[in-house]
Amino acid sequence: NAGVTQTPKFRVLKTGQSMTLLCAQDMNHEYMYWYRQDPGMGLRLIHYSVGEGTTAKGEVPDGYNVSRLKKQNFLLGLESAAPSQTSVYFCASSYGSGYEQYFGPGTRLTVT
Amino acid sequence: TQLLEQSPQFLSIQEGENLTVYCNSSSVFSSLQWYRQEPGEGPVLLVTVVTGGEVKKLKRLTFQFGDARKDSSLHITAAQTGDTGLYLCAGGAGNTPLVFGKGTRLSVIA
Repeated sequence: NAGVTQTPKFRVLKTGQSMTLLCAQDMNHEYMYWYRQDPGMGLRLIHYSVGEGTTAKGEVPDGYNVSRLKKQNFLLGLESAAPSQTSVYFCASSYGSGYEQYFGPGTRLTVT
Repeated sequence: TQLLEQSPQFLSIQEGENLTVYCNSSSVFSSLQWYRQEPGEGPVLLVTVVTGGEVKKLKRLTFQFGDARKDSSLHITAAQTGDTGLYLCAGGAGNTPLVFGKGTRLSVIA
């Protein structure tokens, strides 16, 4: 039982490049989330999904897109990376909206 | 917009000391969760409290949910170096995603 996994663990991008972060969970959870964590800012919700084929905006959605084509996977895309998107990105999943969230180990992204 | 304010933002103490960190809001939450995050890892749930006035104990950690369900506290007795980490509170209400506070970064020095 791997829980929540994230790929890749580290990435360096140049401004304007694109990339996709992959999150996978094996707990059959309906809800999945993408957060970014910056020093002093806590966890900020980017986008989330309440089930396969659905997505919704969180607190800081601009510059990001997501897709949930399969229940176990949640992809986060950056179409044109900016230095302001340098951060640690965490994926999480949960059974429902108020339930415990299980987090992945994070992806450290640097945009130069 | 529901907000959770955590205090203090940073705390550095000696091993063996006691400490309390706080999580406050002007909004009512149906549940309050506490997570601990260690460097290089994702947050991990410590406890969930759902009833106003509820107190839960987890070894040396005591969690309390305020009577009005707007605030919570985490008390650690005889802190150990293994307690070092970022402590996050998160409030749940209805069908909206959890609201996370910014966290208290605790450093316990031997």
